[in-house]
Amino acid sequence: AIQMTQSPSSLSASVGDRVTITCRASQGIRNDLGWYQQRPGEAPKLLIYAASSLRSGVPSRFSGSGSGTDFTLTISSLQPEDFATYYCLQDYNYPPTFGQGTKVEIK
Amino acid sequence: EVQLVESGGGLVQPGGSLRLSCAASGFTFSSYWMHWVRQTPGKGLVWVSRINSDGSTSNYADSVKGRFTISRDNAKNMVYVQMNSLRAEDMAVYYCVRGAVDYWGQGTLVTVSS
Repeated sequence: AIQMTQSPSSLSASVGDRVTITCRASQGIRNDLGWYQQRPGEAPKLLIYAASSLRSGVPSRFSGSGSGTDFTLTISSLQPEDFATYYCLQDYNYPPTFGQGTKVEIK
Repeated sequence: EVQLVESGGGLVQPGGSLRLSCAASGFTFSSYWMHWVRQTPGKGLVWVSRINSDGSTSNYADSVKGRFTISRDNAKNMVYVQMNSLRAEDMAVYYCVRGAVDYWGQGTLVTVSS
């Protein structure tokens, strides 16, 4: 199975900060990658699909980039509702596999 | 509006069985693959199983192969997972997820304990 390694595992940031989370695949996955946000007590929500496509209704401060093995999720200006855990998911190869998550906390 | 509502979770003893159900609405259910994904504090999100749109093909994670069975009823817009020989490591929140992994249910908690 393809391994997805996210970094950092957690970070502290302030409202208004620019935040970057990375995800590295153990082998090339083209752009078959999604990013998810999970707030405590809630199910994950899709933010970005196909590595860089913003899902309808998701604020434009979220963006994704990358292809092959290295991917990035960027939040351009962190808002209070963005404090959550973020996961990447590859669906290039079966079985689909998730990163271990990045918890974004308030500084 | 797409909705996925899981049910059937609860407390079960090791070696026991449980069937989870997922009621889907707001989309053409019979056109989509469906997945089950589970989440534990220690291992994060893990894909468990998937079934194709007409129910003829299913796949499983190695950790549940031979113990879990996914099925669906397109007439009722329902997807199920029958979980047998449950182990402590199966304890998790189980999510029903639409094929493109775009919509998730709210999850149902399975606790395996004596």
